[in-house]
Amino acid sequence: QKEVEQNSGPLSVPEGAIASLNCTYSDRGSQSFFWYRQYSGKSPELIMFIYSNGDKEDGRFTAQLNKASQYVSLLIRDSQPSDSATYLCAVGGSNYKLTFGKGTLLTVNP
Amino acid sequence: ETGVTQTPRHLVMGMTNKKSLKCEQHLGHNAMYWYKQSAKKPLELMFVYNFKEQTENNSVPSRFSPECPNSSHLFLHLHTLQPEDSALYLCASSQGGLTSYEQYFGPGTRLTVT
Repeated sequence: QKEVEQNSGPLSVPEGAIASLNCTYSDRGSQSFFWYRQYSGKSPELIMFIYSNGDKEDGRFTAQLNKASQYVSLLIRDSQPSDSATYLCAVGGSNYKLTFGKGTLLTVNP
Repeated sequence: ETGVTQTPRHLVMGMTNKKSLKCEQHLGHNAMYWYKQSAKKPLELMFVYNFKEQTENNSVPSRFSPECPNSSHLFLHLHTLQPEDSALYLCASSQGGLTSYEQYFGPGTRLTVT
């Protein structure tokens, strides 16, 4: 049974701070890693994906992958109240399916 | 807009009704998915179509019946549902094939079964 674990939160950070969201996965054969943002009542929106060990940056977002530790994280710099949402970690293997975590609720306080 | 549309956006139906959810993707993808999202539970994969072939039925009750006439369209036919089937139903698409590419979600259909 493939598992993806996330701290459910809520994670609360002040505006302008760095928010750090973490995810661990059980399947060592996992090859692709995704972060989705989901606002309340809306559908998940893909914000980052990473396939190789190391860091990948896109604007205020940085995804970090460590396959040896089976760990993937998302850093949000200069957090804004509009970043308040649930962040879903998803992991893919050698097929077309993704396994999703339960998500971490992030609250950015003005 | 992600290029994936779903209709209707909201649906209220009785347990004896028959209704259908529709999904259309304009991304040129070859894989389409139905997910169910209930409160405080992770996304549950229901069905997968890869190049129009159903490749996954995740032990979904027969009161849910998918249909994929082509790579751009996906339907979920509903009949004799139960109140516990009330949830957000999400359609997604991806490039398809044998690799887990990025999946893009539609806005979802909020289903209420009375």
